[in-house]
Amino acid sequence: DAGVIQSPRHEVTEMGQEVTLRCKPISGHNSLFWYRQTMMRGLELLIYFNNNVPIDDSGMPEDRFSAKMPNASFSTLKIQPSEPRDSAVYFCASRWDSENIQYFGAGTRLSVL
Amino acid sequence: RKEVEQDPGPFNVPEGATVAFNCTYSNSASQSFFWYRQDCRKEPKLLMSVYSSGNEDGRFTAQLNRASQYISLLIRDSKLSDSATYLCVVDGYSSNYQLIWGAGTKLIIKP
Repeated sequence: DAGVIQSPRHEVTEMGQEVTLRCKPISGHNSLFWYRQTMMRGLELLIYFNNNVPIDDSGMPEDRFSAKMPNASFSTLKIQPSEPRDSAVYFCASRWDSENIQYFGAGTRLSVL
Repeated sequence: RKEVEQDPGPFNVPEGATVAFNCTYSNSASQSFFWYRQDCRKEPKLLMSVYSSGNEDGRFTAQLNRASQYISLLIRDSKLSDSATYLCVVDGYSSNYQLIWGAGTKLIIKP
């Protein structure tokens, strides 16, 4: 099993640019989570999908953030326009609903200049 | 009060020593408890689930104290490779999906 796959691993962009982060969950998992991690705030849940449907997006910081899950094997998190305060590590995690254990991808380290 | 609280450390421990961390949680209705490990610049990975009866996995022992609302992690015969941040995680009692993450305890094992 390849695990949760995220791309890109690193992204450096300028303020105002659009950023798209990608995630492929573990095959068979039916829940997907997007997190953001910073030194100041730790690990924060941004959005949760279950069976490709967004269930809880209360953690999405503002309208500049959006997430989609068009099918069971792919999700995107988009920031438009990006700002320096968006700089963080963004993790995607997936889970099989019968066990409450989340498996994380390697993360995308985003730097907005 | 934070929902999950941990001592951020760092704990500086000589190789071979025993080290223990505690984590307190605020909601008595929580049912699932975990320890995750996160290496520097890596993703969190499940170290072990914490069961009511306590559980052991090699050098690692986890305990749950529901009365006092804390969980603990004990590492015996610590190795250099145990250096990492240990995240205490508790389920979100109000949902079947939310996990509440502690900020982590940093452990540094010194030779």
